[in-house]
Amino acid sequence: DVVVTQTPLSLPVSFGDQVSISCRSSQSLANSYGNTYLSWYLHKPGQSPQLLIYGISNRFSGVPDRFSGSGSGTDFTLKISTIKPEDLGMYYCLQGTHQPRTFGGGTKLEIK
Amino acid sequence: EVQLVESGGGLVKPGGSLKLSCAASGFTFSSYAMSWVRQSPEKRLEWVAEISSGGSYTYYPDTVTGRFTISRDNAKNTLYLEMSSLRSEDTAMYYCARDQSTMITSFAYWGQGTLVTVSA
Repeated sequence: DVVVTQTPLSLPVSFGDQVSISCRSSQSLANSYGNTYLSWYLHKPGQSPQLLIYGISNRFSGVPDRFSGSGSGTDFTLKISTIKPEDLGMYYCLQGTHQPRTFGGGTKLEIK
Repeated sequence: EVQLVESGGGLVKPGGSLKLSCAASGFTFSSYAMSWVRQSPEKRLEWVAEISSGGSYTYYPDTVTGRFTISRDNAKNTLYLEMSSLRSEDTAMYYCARDQSTMITSFAYWGQGTLVTVSA
C-alpha cells in the first residue's frame, strides 16, 4: 500500500498567517497516463470533510483562492494564505492514484 | 444538488453485523462509482470500500476485506455497506462519498455520516 506521510501534525496559527502543509507518498502518484491524483480536504468538527484541491492544484468549486496546491511525484504541498477563522480544523491529503486509496494522517490547524 | 444521506449506524457488539445505507439524489446515481470512507475516534480517515457504477467491480483495503461488502441498488438510488465480524477498531463515523467525475480519484461529495460503535 502507498503510505502517505503528512506533516506537521499540528499547526498553531494566527489569523492572517500563511502556512504550508506537506504530504509525501512512499511511491510516485503519477499514473501511466501522466495523471496525478492527490487531493486535499478540510474537516471541521460536526461537519463532513470538504474537498479543497484535486489533481494536485485544482481548486474545487467555491474554494477561495487563498488555498493552493502544488507538487509532483511524491512530494505535495497545500498552502493557505491569510488564514481566516473558518479555515481552522483538520486537513488531510488523499492519494487516489493507487489502490487502496490512502489518506495522510492529518494536520490540525489551530489558533496559537 | 448532490445529496447523500447515510443511515443504519448504531451500537453493535464485537463479532456482530450491521448494514449501512446511503440514499443518493440530485444526480444520475447509476453513472457514478461510489465509496465508503470512515473516520475513527482518533480522527484518522480511512477509505473502506468502492464500487463501480454498474456494481460489477468492488475494492477494499486489507483491513476490511472478507468482512465488509459494498453493494448498490441503482433502481433505488441506494448504496449499501454490509459489515460483519465487527471489531472495536471498526468504531467510526461512516461516510458515503462520490467524486466529481464518474470514476473516483478524489471525494468531492460526502454525506453527513452515520456513527457505528462496536462495544460490549
